Amino acid sequence: IAGITQAPTSQILAAGRRMTLRCTQDMRHNAMYWYRQDLGLGLRLIHYSNTAGTTGKGEVPDGYSVSRANTDDFPLTLASAVPSQTSVYFCASSAQGGSYNEQFFGPGTRLTVL
Amino acid sequence: AQRVTQPEKLLSVFKGAPVELKCNYSYSGSPELFWYVQYSRQRLQLLLRHISRESIKGFTADLNKGETSFHLKKPFAQEEDSAMYYCALRRYGNNRLAFGKGNQVVVIP
Repeated sequence: IAGITQAPTSQILAAGRRMTLRCTQDMRHNAMYWYRQDLGLGLRLIHYSNTAGTTGKGEVPDGYSVSRANTDDFPLTLASAVPSQTSVYFCASSAQGGSYNEQFFGPGTRLTVL
Repeated sequence: AQRVTQPEKLLSVFKGAPVELKCNYSYSGSPELFWYVQYSRQRLQLLLRHISRESIKGFTADLNKGETSFHLKKPFAQEEDSAMYYCALRRYGNNRLAFGKGNQVVVIP
């Protein structure tokens, strides 16, 4: 069982370019999330999806978009990358419903925008 | 809105010494509190949740609603405890987590 996988592992991107970060989970979790991790700022929620077909904005959604066409996949797209989007991006998932559901995290994607 | 505060960014302790990571939160409802840990080159993983009232890897954390705190404690630090620790809060019935800024713990041999 792979859990959550992310691709690519790392990427260097020119400013203005479009980039899609991929996230796939095989745990049949309904809820999925995208976070960015920055030194001194912790983890901040970008977008989330409670179930396939629905998405919502998190704390820092500007410059990012997501889609949830099916249960397993939750891609994050940067339409026109800017240097401030240099960060480590983590995808996570959790079972929907009930209290205290644990979020499971992917290995992360390190993105550098030049 | 809920908020999680972890005041110390970096904490250095000697092996065998006690370690305490502070976490304070602001939320008017019934919170769910968690500690997540990220070891070097590994993904973030759940360490503790307040509802479980358990000890994991020697760590404990007690929810104090009067002080709105959920401090993480371990009486004797080990080298393998060196990691980044995040306190997180979830509103009851909501899936989304609000994370603190994290504590980098370095255990000196």
